[in-house]
Amino acid sequence: GENVEQHPSTLSVQEGDSAVIKCTYSDSASNYFPWYKQELGKRPQLIIDIRSNVGEKKDQRIAVTLNKTAKHFSLHITETQPEDSAVYFCAASRTSYDKVIFGPGTSLSVIP
Amino acid sequence: DVKVTQSSRYLVKRTGEKVFLECVQDMDHENMFWYRQDPGLGLRLIYFSYDVKMKEKGDIPEGYSVSREKKERFSLILESASTNQTSMYLCASRRGTLTSNYGYTFGSGTRLTVV
Repeated sequence: GENVEQHPSTLSVQEGDSAVIKCTYSDSASNYFPWYKQELGKRPQLIIDIRSNVGEKKDQRIAVTLNKTAKHFSLHITETQPEDSAVYFCAASRTSYDKVIFGPGTSLSVIP
Repeated sequence: DVKVTQSSRYLVKRTGEKVFLECVQDMDHENMFWYRQDPGLGLRLIYFSYDVKMKEKGDIPEGYSVSREKKERFSLILESASTNQTSMYLCASRRGTLTSNYGYTFGSGTRLTVV
């Protein structure tokens, strides 16, 4: 079945450094790749998404890249801040309307 | 602001009990989903629904069923609760038609403990 893998499972960075989270997916028909952030005790929230017709997308300090040939996509956070500390989930689905398959999550800690 | 409301934040049930988890959304979303969240496993899809009276199995439907009699409400049913169903259950909804926002809106979750 469809599967999304995510690495690393935990990540610690100093404030101001960059953080990178990498994901791979198995379903070659996937075309929509959202990223969710879940702060401790809170619900997951969409922070950025990318579609397969785009190789990169940026939103302030956050960027996502997609390599559809290799079935890889990544989240890049620059100039990290303590409030970036959270669990981040990558995900994939065939269309924007379809069910979403999530990766296992990355727990990011930003050390002041 | 879209709201997805789950009826209980915490539940404790006994093994063998029939358990109902309720989810209601107030933005006329077509699509609704039930996930369970376990440490190290992320969010795993149990069941989903693209419209009233429609339901589809997700990746881990065994031991669960769902009901969607009204567009705004999607219920998850544990027919006979077992200890391995102890988990955090998250409901989500999303518009199923052309929109500027394809992200899920999640409920705040129900932490179910089966003893």
